[in-house]
Amino acid sequence: DAGVTQSPTHLIKTRGQQVTLRCSPKSGHDTVSWYQQALGQGPQFIFQYYEEEERQRGNFPDRFSGHQFPNYSSELNVNALLLGDSALYLCASSSGGGAGETQYFGPGTRLLVL
Amino acid sequence: AQSVSQHNHHVILSEAASLELGCNYSYGGTVNLFWYVQYPGQHLQLLLKYFSGDPLVKGIKGFEAEFIKSKFSFNLRKPSVQWSDTAEYFCAVNVRNNRLAFGKGNQVVVIP
Repeated sequence: DAGVTQSPTHLIKTRGQQVTLRCSPKSGHDTVSWYQQALGQGPQFIFQYYEEEERQRGNFPDRFSGHQFPNYSSELNVNALLLGDSALYLCASSSGGGAGETQYFGPGTRLLVL
Repeated sequence: AQSVSQHNHHVILSEAASLELGCNYSYGGTVNLFWYVQYPGQHLQLLLKYFSGDPLVKGIKGFEAEFIKSKFSFNLRKPSVQWSDTAEYFCAVNVRNNRLAFGKGNQVVVIP
């Protein structure tokens, strides 16, 4: 049973560029959440997708957008990259999105913006 | 502001020593609480969680945590650490619909 997978593992971009990160949830999971983890900080919630719709969103600008596909996989897009977007981006999956469900995290994509 | 606080960001201790990591949160109402661990080079993984019932929760690898509602705390403990417990530990609160709010983490180094 594959866990949560993310691609790519590492990415280097320059300011102003756009980036797309991908996530495949754990088998049987239908909810995907994205988190940003800056160096020395805990993960911060970006947004969550359930039934192909953004269900809730954290305090991130509109430059951060996402999508969920019918197979529950998800993409995170960041436009007009800033130096401050450099971070580890984590995807987490769960089932149903209820408060009692454990979230399983992927290995993350490390983004460096130069 | 609503937050999750973890103190003593860096902890260094010897094998067989006891470990306690503090976690305080400021969210009101019913909360679900978690401790996650990230071993070097590995994913974030769940150590233990509290939803309701017995406030003393047992997790994997000998860890336990106690929920004290009156103190808004969920402290993590292990009576005797091993070198393999070297990791970063994160406390998290389920704010709404599985939206997790994390603390800044505790970097724990166990010296053999």
